[in-house]
Amino acid sequence: AQKITQTQPGMFVQEKEAVTLDCTYDTSDQSYGLFWYKQPSSGEMIFLIYQGSYDEQNATEGRYSLNFQKARKSANLVISASQLGDSAMYFCAMRELFYSGGGADGLTFGKGTHLIIQP
Amino acid sequence: NAGVTQTPKFRILKIGQSMTLQCTQDMNHNYMYWYRQDPGMGLKLIYYSVGAGITDKGEVPNGYNVSRSTTEDFPLRLELAAPSQTSVYFCASSSLEETQYFGPGTRLLVL
Repeated sequence: AQKITQTQPGMFVQEKEAVTLDCTYDTSDQSYGLFWYKQPSSGEMIFLIYQGSYDEQNATEGRYSLNFQKARKSANLVISASQLGDSAMYFCAMRELFYSGGGADGLTFGKGTHLIIQP
Repeated sequence: NAGVTQTPKFRILKIGQSMTLQCTQDMNHNYMYWYRQDPGMGLKLIYYSVGAGITDKGEVPNGYNVSRSTTEDFPLRLELAAPSQTSVYFCASSSLEETQYFGPGTRLLVL
């Protein structure tokens, strides 16, 4: 069974500072993908970034990067130069990769971190 | 470019009533999913489908049913609504090795 742990229920950060949101995972699968989603107060789930377990380089998407440490089973999200619009819930999620025979049964989510950016 | 659409956006049900939450995607994705999100929690998988005519249970399937007669549609049926089913319901779809794209959600209140 897969498990995602997000240990920070809430965070307050000053605007323009960098933010690190923690995520650790547990799985017996060898091939898996790690995802981060943003959920603003309006409620929709917005995909941010993806990291495959066999990817040697950390994923980056604009101001988002994923600090992937496979041996520690951690996949922290880093937001550079935070903005007021970054205030939202952030969810870490994972699934087994399709090509390894799994993954069709959906994502396993953590409980989320509520990030508030202060001016 | 609609993506994943869900109807209704909000619904109030009385205990024991039934309803169907609609989900449609226009991306020709084979994989579709239903999740529920309880207050302060992450999403939990209810049911999923790997293609038309094929469905399977997720982590929390009790009290729900699904069908998948077409690639585009994946409705979720609540037969006897209970207060424990008060939640926000998200439908999602994906193709092989791609991320899941979520609909806007349906907020359900059972009183």
